[in-house]
Amino acid sequence: RKEVEQDPGPFNVPEGATVAFNCTYSNSASQSFFWYRQDCRKEPKLLMSVYSSGNEDGRFTAQLNRASQYISLLIRDSKLSDSATYLCVGGTGGGNKLTFGTGTQLKVEL
Amino acid sequence: GAVVSQHPSRVICKSGTSVKIECRSLDFQATTMFWYRQFPKQSLMLMATSNEGSKATYEQGVEKDKFLINHASLTLSTLTVTSAHPEDSSFYICSASTGVDQPQHFGDGTRLSIL
Repeated sequence: RKEVEQDPGPFNVPEGATVAFNCTYSNSASQSFFWYRQDCRKEPKLLMSVYSSGNEDGRFTAQLNRASQYISLLIRDSKLSDSATYLCVGGTGGGNKLTFGTGTQLKVEL
Repeated sequence: GAVVSQHPSRVICKSGTSVKIECRSLDFQATTMFWYRQFPKQSLMLMATSNEGSKATYEQGVEKDKFLINHASLTLSTLTVTSAHPEDSSFYICSASTGVDQPQHFGDGTRLSIL
């Protein structure tokens, strides 16, 4: 079983739609969690950290459920520029050692 | 701020060649640098962690004699793929951090193709 699991997608949604991604992790020692965005053939870029209390950054909302070992990302009012692969990431060792999921691909269409 | 530069961005070379990839933190001092590898349609896999001035810590299954890592200064780490073969073709990405509990900043990656 992979340490961080995600539905690979692709999720094809119309512009303006709300889309949710889920992720589960198996390492209970994971201390910190993140969502990264990776465009095709590019490096990953940090989208946001994920906290148990839930956190929001503009159109993006992330949630962590430690009991279920489950992380989510909600994107509201999708834009064409949101098209990318979204990577769920768990951190151990003070957050220094990152374990990446394989990513969920999002395609936002006109 | 927090810019990490990786060079070269693309390498194509013959089997048996050794390839060196540089990772530089341009505007901060990176006490820790990380090297990842990503095969097509797979996740980034951590290869090794290097702290300035000390030997790198390699992940299980990564050959330290094959992938030589040097972190001689707080702004530069290098990864040398020795005697590269086609199966080493991959996207290699570095990241840098100022320390524990600090975010990692990623370089823009090196696409290595071994013919």
